[in-house]
Amino acid sequence: DAGVIQSPRHEVTEMGQEVTLRCKPISGHDYLFWYRQTMMRGLELLIYFNNNVPIDDSGMPEDRFSAKMPNASFSTLKIQPSEPRDSAVYFCASGYNEQFFGPGTRLTVL
Amino acid sequence: QKEVEQNSGPLSVPEGAIASLNCTYSDRGSQSFFWYRQYSGKSPELIMFIYSNGDKEDGRFTAQLNKASQYVSLLIRDSQPSDSATYLCAGTNNNNDMRFGAGTRLTVKP
Repeated sequence: DAGVIQSPRHEVTEMGQEVTLRCKPISGHDYLFWYRQTMMRGLELLIYFNNNVPIDDSGMPEDRFSAKMPNASFSTLKIQPSEPRDSAVYFCASGYNEQFFGPGTRLTVL
Repeated sequence: QKEVEQNSGPLSVPEGAIASLNCTYSDRGSQSFFWYRQYSGKSPELIMFIYSNGDKEDGRFTAQLNKASQYVSLLIRDSQPSDSATYLCAGTNNNNDMRFGAGTRLTVKP
């Protein structure tokens, strides 16, 4: 198995632009998680899905953030409009108790 | 108060010594606990999980859980320079919400 796949690996954008991060979980994993990691706040859970249904989005910081999982093999995290304080590494993970992380997307908002 | 607390370190030990990493948690409903290792610029990698009180050993790693004291630890025996990384403690509750500590940076000096 290729593991959790995320794209893009790096994203640099300007404030106000829309950003879409993509994730392909490990086949057969029913849970998918989106995290954000910064030096100041550490690793934060943003939202997670079970069988493509959002279960808990209480970690989503603002209405500018949205996430979807249209099928078992694909999820997106969208930020619209983006702001400099959104700059972070965004991780997708899949699994149940044992979560397996993707390589992350390093987002820089100028 | 964060739900999962770790000493941010840095913790420095000589090669061959035992490294002891500690974690406390505030949610008594937490069921499962995990230790992740994260190398600089990489994604978290699961190294151990523990559900029951007591010790769990896996090679050079031993996880310890004391639910009465709300305390989790990770011991690394015969520490190697390749163990130098940030170690993240995480706990999940009945809803499978995983909360991470801020991480402890470990340096193993040759």
